[in-house]
Amino acid sequence: NAGVTQTPKFRVLKTGQSMTLLCAQDMNHEYMYWYRQDPGMGLRLIHYSVGEGTTAKGEVPDGYNVSRLKKQNFLLGLESAAPSQTSVYFCASSTLAGGATDTQYFGPGTRLTVL
Amino acid sequence: GESVGLHLPTLSVQEGDNSIINCAYSNSASDYFIWYKQESGKGPQFIIDIRSNMDKRQGQRVTVLLNKTVKHLSLQIAATQPGDSAVYFCAEATAGGTSYGKLTFGQGTILTVHP
Repeated sequence: NAGVTQTPKFRVLKTGQSMTLLCAQDMNHEYMYWYRQDPGMGLRLIHYSVGEGTTAKGEVPDGYNVSRLKKQNFLLGLESAAPSQTSVYFCASSTLAGGATDTQYFGPGTRLTVL
Repeated sequence: GESVGLHLPTLSVQEGDNSIINCAYSNSASDYFIWYKQESGKGPQFIIDIRSNMDKRQGQRVTVLLNKTVKHLSLQIAATQPGDSAVYFCAEATAGGTSYGKLTFGQGTILTVHP
């Protein structure tokens, strides 16, 4: 199993450009999550999905959109990138919704810089 | 809002020593706590978790202690090795309701192990 993979690994955008980050998992997990990690801060939840075709807002959803058309993929979109969205983005997946027997597995991250 | 935080941002130890990383949480409704390890350039990796109905849980070389009275969580690493050098995050979650499955992360503690 590859686990959770993310593409691309690095990206530089200009203000106003758009892009999509792709997350894929091969563990047949129901739940998937997108986080951002900024210097000196822990991970903050952007959006999450409890199953194919469903999405929900997390702690910091503004400026982002997501889609879960296939169970194994979770896409994060930036329609008009802003410098404040410079961050490292992590995707995660889990079998259940954070219960005691569940674990969130993280991808390697995407480092995004918006100029 | 509710938050999870860490007392010490950095911790330096000698190889072979025991390490203790602390975490304070403020949401008394949290019933699930997790420790993650994050190495440079990688996503967080699950270490150990504990439910709120427990006060101690042991893994391989790691022990998590939970003190609900003072809302304090700690991670003990026995015989710390250079490979343990990383950033350690505590996270909390609440099962059920609209918060189900969403982790709230602390800022992180940098552990450096000197050979």
